[in-house]
Amino acid sequence: VQVLESGGGLVQPGGSLRLSCAASGFTFSNYGMSWVRQAPGKGLEWVSSITTNGGATYYADSVKGRFTISRDNSKNTMYLQLNALRAEDTAVYYCAKPLGTGWSPWDWGQGTLVTVSS
Amino acid sequence: EIVMTQSPATLSVSPGESATLSCRSSQSASSSLAWYQQKAGQAPRLLIYAASTRATGIPARFSGSGSGTEFTLTISSLQSEDFAVYYCQQYNIWPYTFGQGTNLEIK
Repeated sequence: VQVLESGGGLVQPGGSLRLSCAASGFTFSNYGMSWVRQAPGKGLEWVSSITTNGGATYYADSVKGRFTISRDNSKNTMYLQLNALRAEDTAVYYCAKPLGTGWSPWDWGQGTLVTVSS
Repeated sequence: EIVMTQSPATLSVSPGESATLSCRSSQSASSSLAWYQQKAGQAPRLLIYAASTRATGIPARFSGSGSGTEFTLTISSLQSEDFAVYYCQQYNIWPYTFGQGTNLEIK
């Protein structure tokens, strides 16, 4: 069971970035998936979740209206589109797979770092 | 949202001794409580879920207890690899929330 994030990098305030989470070793389409982030030296914050078929999505208030979660089950991949980025969005973004058929608890990828700075 | 409060923020313990970490929720989390371990530069690792069930591959020296609003993670006979930051997380009510972490350090 593995999830692998990619797409992080340095972006200016107001810019955009798309993160990807590639899944392998499990039936991706059977699991609701999530993104969780961790600012440097800080704790963990749930960001967004998506149902198995992408029919429903959920967002933290801090990112609502700026981030968009999506998935492509044919490619075993989940995405997070980050728009209107702010300095406070700087964090490691983790792809999180639930342990069972519920939403949580989570197994985690290694994360991808997003740095928002001019 | 449910606020998770962990105590203490830092715990200094000698190898071979036991450590007790606490987590309190502002509303009932029922038994939907997980504990994660995070080492520097690494992703969190799931240790305990459903308040007291060890995840696959987690040694028996890790044990969790509690329900409702009070939870405890106990690590007996601390090994060098156990010194890390520990987070609790409730997954009973959205949004799922984490405690601020307890840094378990070598005394």
